[in-house]
Amino acid sequence: AQTVTQSQPEMSVQEAETVTLSCTYDTSENNYYLFWYKQPPSRQMILVIRQEAYKQQNATENRFSVNFQKAAKSFSLKISDSQLGDTAMYFCAFMKHAHDYKLSFGAGTTVTVRA
Amino acid sequence: NAGVTQTPKFRILKIGQSMTLQCTQDMNHNYMYWYRQDPGMGLKLIYYSVGAGITDKGEVPNGYNVSRSTTEDFPLRLELAAPSQTSVYFCASSFIASGLPGELFFGEGSRLTVL
Repeated sequence: AQTVTQSQPEMSVQEAETVTLSCTYDTSENNYYLFWYKQPPSRQMILVIRQEAYKQQNATENRFSVNFQKAAKSFSLKISDSQLGDTAMYFCAFMKHAHDYKLSFGAGTTVTVRA
Repeated sequence: NAGVTQTPKFRILKIGQSMTLQCTQDMNHNYMYWYRQDPGMGLKLIYYSVGAGITDKGEVPNGYNVSRSTTEDFPLRLELAAPSQTSVYFCASSFIASGLPGELFFGEGSRLTVL
């Protein structure tokens, strides 16, 4: 299984501020996909953003953007203009380009947005 | 749209009992997955299926069995429940074609406690 490491168990941010979550992964593959999922207290897993490894341009989805550094095997998530509804656990996930398309998850980072 | 539906949402089992977690998706997805999430941890893959009649083991398959007789259904069977199987279980599905992975859609989770 691929190894995905999220080194920040918890982070706290003031509403309207910016927070960056780190993620590193270990793989010998050249073609793969990276994801950030959000899990609010409701437990529902929600896709935040995805990145294809063959694309050099960093993905952006509204207030969420990533910094993908392929050589460093790093995939950080930036949440801009944080909102109370962003409070959740965030998981970084890796999927290699293979017939099984299995997701490997990191341990997660709990983000708390303070009013 | 129902999406991915899991039942039951909560269950308490005694050690040694057996049960089946049901998962149904109505999106005609070919890939389906079962994950477990232990407290404060990321999701670990138990079993997955790339299509009806085809299943394979993930990272943590011991103590579980699956079947995929139809595209829609992917039940997870726990035989001889043990306290180590206390967890939240997530079913997910995805449509993958032409080598391009789609988004994984998750159910709301089933919280299982083994006493």
